[in-house]
This record gives sequence, structure tokens and C-alpha cells, in this order.
Amino acid sequence: EDKVVQSPLSLVVHEGDTVTLNCSYEVTNFRSLLWYKQEKKAPTFLFMLTSSGIEKKSGRLSSILDKKELFSILNITATQTGDSAVYLCAVGGGADGLTFGKGTHLIIQP
Amino acid sequence: DTEVTQTPKHLVMGMTNKKSLKCEQHMGHRAMYWYKQKAKKPPELMFVYSYEKLSINESVPSRFSPECPNSSLLNLHLHALQPEDSALYLCASSQDRTGALTDTQYFGPGTRLTVL
Repeated sequence: EDKVVQSPLSLVVHEGDTVTLNCSYEVTNFRSLLWYKQEKKAPTFLFMLTSSGIEKKSGRLSSILDKKELFSILNITATQTGDSAVYLCAVGGGADGLTFGKGTHLIIQP
Repeated sequence: DTEVTQTPKHLVMGMTNKKSLKCEQHMGHRAMYWYKQKAKKPPELMFVYSYEKLSINESVPSRFSPECPNSSLLNLHLHALQPEDSALYLCASSQDRTGALTDTQYFGPGTRLTVL
């Protein structure tokens, strides 16, 4: 059975801190790993990773994939209160399209 | 444009009602998905249409009936729902050029469903 495990499940930090969110996976036929940010409504797409060791960057967010060790990290530097959200990791390649992790609930305190 | 639209935004229905949720995208995506999301849980896949054919049905009860009238539209027909079916229903689409369901999925804003 395909599995995606995110850690930590919740995290509270102060504005300006740097955070690292983790995602490990076991998928039969790995094709891609995606990160989404979900606030009150639908998940919004952040990154899609298919190759090991290549960092993807968007502003203060960056992500990298390690296909040998089967994990990915999402980094957020200089956090702001607007970064508070649930961050979902999803892996594509199993029979059902995407398999989602349970998410990391990130709270940024002013 | 990466927009997926869903209507209605909110829906309250009784257990004997029949209603439909609608989803639309004009990105030329060929795969469309229905997810159910309960509070503080990740989205759970319900159905996948690939090239307008139902390719995945995740053992969803028959009171949920999907329909894909064309490549841009996806409906979810609801009948005789239970209170535990109350949730956020999310539609997503992906390009799916290879038919392997591996492309990025873009989500609509969701329909918040309450069953009384």
C-alpha cells in the first residue's frame, strides 16, 4: 500500500524563524512529489519535484527531493504570519494518482 | 490560467434531497478528480475521470454518482446522503497527457456540504 508520512504534524514558530517540513514516502511506481499549501479552502500548488537533488525555489520557499532516501523537505525562511497553513505533501505514481500525507499544520506567531 | 471553478460554494441538504455539485475547467486538462475532505484531514480521493471515462472509483457509496458530460465539466450527483457525508468536496484537474495521472493537480475552491 502506498504511504506518505509528514512530520511534524504541527509546528508553532515565531515570525522570522526558518522552518523545515518533512515528507517521506513509499510508493510502488514513483513519478512525482508535490507540495501544496492549504489555508481555509482548497490546496494551492507550490512545487512539483521529479528529480533528485535539484532544488526548486519560489521566494522564501524551497524544496528538494531525495529519491534514494525517499523523502523531500520544504523550507520556509523568514516566516510571516501569512505562511500559517496546512502544508500537504502528495506523491504521484501509485494506482490512484496522488497519495496525500496528513499534512503539517504550521502556525506562525507574531 | 490555472483556474478550476466549483458551484455552489455552500450547500445544505436534507437526507431525502437530490442535489448536484458542478466543476469546470478550461485549461484543456484531460483528467478530473473528486475528493472529499473532512476537517483537519487530507483530501480523500473519490473518483477520477481520465479522457472523460471513469478510471477510478474508490469504493464510494452509490449515493454519490459522478458524471463527466465533456472534457471541461465534472458533476457529482448526490442522493439520500447521510450526516456523516458533510465535508468539503474538492474538484481538481490535471493535464494528464500520458493518461498516467502523474501531472500536477489544480484544485477548485470546493463546495462546503452540510447534510442535515
